[in-house]
Amino acid sequence: GDSVTQMEGPVTLSEEAFLTINCTYTATGYPSLFWYVQYPGEGLQLLLKATKADDKGSNKGFEATYRKETTSFHLEKGSVQVSDSAVYFCALVMNTGFQKLVFGTGTRLLVSP
Amino acid sequence: DSGVTQTPKHLITATGQRVTLRCSPRSGDLSVYWYQQSLDQGLQFLIQYYNGEERAKGNILERFSAQQFPDLHSELNLSSLELGDSALYFCASSEDTLGETQYFGPGTRLLVL
Repeated sequence: GDSVTQMEGPVTLSEEAFLTINCTYTATGYPSLFWYVQYPGEGLQLLLKATKADDKGSNKGFEATYRKETTSFHLEKGSVQVSDSAVYFCALVMNTGFQKLVFGTGTRLLVSP
Repeated sequence: DSGVTQTPKHLITATGQRVTLRCSPRSGDLSVYWYQQSLDQGLQFLIQYYNGEERAKGNILERFSAQQFPDLHSELNLSSLELGDSALYFCASSEDTLGETQYFGPGTRLLVL
C-alpha cells in the first residue's frame, strides 16, 4: 500500500541553521504531497503542498520539491528560528478519487537560541 | 486558527466506558475526517463523512462509530474503552470529498484509566 517514510527525530539545531527533513514515499500512482506542522498542544496545520512532479511548495521560508525520480519530498529551510520548533509530518493523498491522507511518523524539530 | 472546533479538549474516563467527541467543520466544508494519534501507531485515519454520508473507512475499530448531522457537525463515539484507546483524536474538514487539503482541529486528548 501507499506509505510515507520520514527521518527519525528529534532534529536539534541552533537558530539560523539550515534545515533538511527527509521524506520519501511509496505510491502506486501519482500522489499529491504535503507537509503538515504540529506546534505543541495544537492540531496539524498545512505547511505546504505540491500536486505534481517538479512542483515546489513553499510557505513561511520552508520549501519542498516533488521529485518523482527519487520519490522524495524533502523539507528545507535556510535559517530556522526557535519558533519553528514543532513536529513535522510528511503526507500523501492519491489523486484518483478519495483516498485517505497517509502520514509519515513525524519528525520533531528542536531549535535552540 | 483553522476554523475547525473540537470538544472537549480533554477527557478522562475509565475502561469499559463510552465517550462522544464532537467536531464542527469549517464553514462551508462538507467533509469531516477523524484521525487517531497515538505514540505507537502514529497518525491514523479512522473515517470520513461527506454531507452526512459515510464516504471512507480506515483503521476504525468496531467499538468506534461516527456520524455527521444535517448541520454538518460530526460526532465520534468510542465505546467499551480500553487503555490502548488513550490518544489524541483529531477532526479535519475539507470542501470536497477528495480530501486533498484538510484543515485540522486542535484535537481531543482522551485518557482511559
